[in-house]
Amino acid sequence: QKEVEQNSGPLSVPEGAIASLNCTYSDRGSQSFFWYRQYSGKSPELIMFIYSNGDKEDGRFTAQLNKASQYVSLLIRDSQPSDSATYLCAVNGWNNQGGKLIFGQGTELSVKP
Amino acid sequence: DTAVSQTPKYLVTQMGNDKSIKCEQNLGHDTMYWYKQDSKKFLKIMFSYNNKELIINETVPNRFSPKSPDKAHLNLHINSLELGDSAVYFCASSPKLAGAKNIQYFGAGTRLSVL
Repeated sequence: QKEVEQNSGPLSVPEGAIASLNCTYSDRGSQSFFWYRQYSGKSPELIMFIYSNGDKEDGRFTAQLNKASQYVSLLIRDSQPSDSATYLCAVNGWNNQGGKLIFGQGTELSVKP
Repeated sequence: DTAVSQTPKYLVTQMGNDKSIKCEQNLGHDTMYWYKQDSKKFLKIMFSYNNKELIINETVPNRFSPKSPDKAHLNLHINSLELGDSAVYFCASSPKLAGAKNIQYFGAGTRLSVL
């Protein structure tokens, strides 16, 4: 079992729709959860992070965390073509394990005009 | 001002050569990292350093040798390059080593191609 799993996609949504990206993780002691966006040929850029159960909203983005189910998701409302990118879920271990982030394989999102 | 800067951006070299990648951060962070992203975009930690001290060496071949002359710099030297080393190498930094809100910021990446 992979430590952090995401559907690789591609996930295609029409402009204006809600895009839902999902991530599961195997380490029950995981502490913090991050969503990075990576455009093709560019570096990962932090979108949101969450460490408490529930929802966290920032503009069009909402991160949802359910530690009991070991599940974290990212919702993008009113999706725009500029949101088309690969979204990386990353997890920080319970003792931070030397600070490392464990990444999923990424979900490619395509927003069609 | 670029927060985390890496040089070079592209590196094309022959198998068996030795090469170095440099990284500098001007954020005042204590902790720096090297990650490798393969052709399938899977991003994996290689090393982490905290205040010049090696914290993580994630079972990386010893042909890879990181060096941190000070906490603002973390360089990566690779000996005897192999075809499988072709990837994008990202440097990152974070304010400290641990903590729930410890966000990592990434450099632009170095695309290494070994021929």
